Amino acid sequence: QQPVQSPQAVILREGEDAVINCSSSKALYSVHWYRQKHGEAPVFLMILLKGGEQKGHEKISASFNEKKQQSSLYLTASQLSYSGTYFCGTVNDYKLSFGAGTTVTVRA
Amino acid sequence: DAGVIQSPRHEVTEMGQEVTLRCKPISGHDYLFWYRQTMMRGLELLIYFNNNVPIDDSGMPEDRFSAKMPNASFSTLKIQPSEPRDSAVYFCASSLGLAGDQETQYFGPGTRLLVL
Repeated sequence: QQPVQSPQAVILREGEDAVINCSSSKALYSVHWYRQKHGEAPVFLMILLKGGEQKGHEKISASFNEKKQQSSLYLTASQLSYSGTYFCGTVNDYKLSFGAGTTVTVRA
Repeated sequence: DAGVIQSPRHEVTEMGQEVTLRCKPISGHDYLFWYRQTMMRGLELLIYFNNNVPIDDSGMPEDRFSAKMPNASFSTLKIQPSEPRDSAVYFCASSLGLAGDQETQYFGPGTRLLVL
């Protein structure tokens, strides 16, 4: 039931773009995206609900393709502050299951 | 709003001792969740409550773990007796609801537990 994230890790230079993918074997009702910095709690970024909408948070946006049962998170013109581990979460039976996470390192 | 509050932030104990973790959810949130995070298993949902009532405890590892929510502003997660494999970061989170934007969960700072 746990969603699958890819890649596991990505290293970027400031200003570069990246895409993180999240897929599920089950039909998706919603997808959550969180970012966690080392030693801190996960912080909510955005939620995408059934309907295929795209959302944005600063220069971070996400899409949700319910037909393909997947979501993608787009980091555009990355900044040093974007470093951290990104988790997607999918809801089944009212329970949120998190992927294993994608560690993003942005270097100057 | 103060956000979700957890205590203690760090706990070091010896195997066999009882450990109690505490959580105060965001005021007005009807749902409270307990998670455990380890390198090996990632973020796992242990149990969640709705209006102080436990709804799903299927993630609780074994009988040594118990959770209560005596009122809308307080919950505890207890491990008795504790074992070294319980060492992890335990997060509490709360949400307004379980549908639409209300299902957004807000996490507390976590309790880092080390069982020696």
